Amino acid sequence: EVQLVESGGDLIQPGGSLRLSCAASDFTVSSNYMSWVRQAPGKGPEWVSVIYRGGNTYYADSVKGRFTISRDNSKNTLYLQMNSLRTEDTAVYYCARWAYGDNDYFDYWGQGTLVTVSS
Amino acid sequence: DIQMTQSPSSLSASVGDRVTITCQTSEYIRNPLNWYQQKPGKAPRLLIYDSSNLQTGVPSRFSGSGSGTDFTFTISSLQPEDIATYYCQQFLTFGGGTKVAIK
Repeated sequence: EVQLVESGGDLIQPGGSLRLSCAASDFTVSSNYMSWVRQAPGKGPEWVSVIYRGGNTYYADSVKGRFTISRDNSKNTLYLQMNSLRTEDTAVYYCARWAYGDNDYFDYWGQGTLVTVSS
Repeated sequence: DIQMTQSPSSLSASVGDRVTITCQTSEYIRNPLNWYQQKPGKAPRLLIYDSSNLQTGVPSRFSGSGSGTDFTFTISSLQPEDIATYYCQQFLTFGGGTKVAIK
């Protein structure tokens, strides 16, 4: 059974850094288009970043230049390095598989990890 | 950027009622339009893909239709377990959501 498990969420002060991880099982991260999607309290999901199978990366304008998506193929794990965090980055962060080119849906999701940016 | 407007933002209906949610895009879209269900504290769950196709394991009371700029999501007979927020999505953009409650 496909499983995605996020970790790394925490309470962090504005301007701080955090790295989120998403460990996959029964699923090969490097063979898929993998995304980070976040959801602020009481709001809808917001796409944050995607890494293509070939390694190309893309970011929402709201995080460009501050966040970096990456993967470790040997660990079958996806990462999101978040720098210069702002209060508006407070959200539950999900990793999800994006079926790009195959109806473009997000079909596998992790359980989410909470990032709270506050002084 | 394409904007996606869902309506209503919330609704209340009785068990057994037919529930309809709409998603309107700011311009004509060729990308598939997908629908999700999200219960509190859980990740979104894919229900409908490419406007009208039911994801494996999803009850047949859920359906979708539409093309171009106007899309519809329907629950034919609302059940207590359908209490959730529903979102449309195309490419990397999600709608604002519709919260469904029981009257």
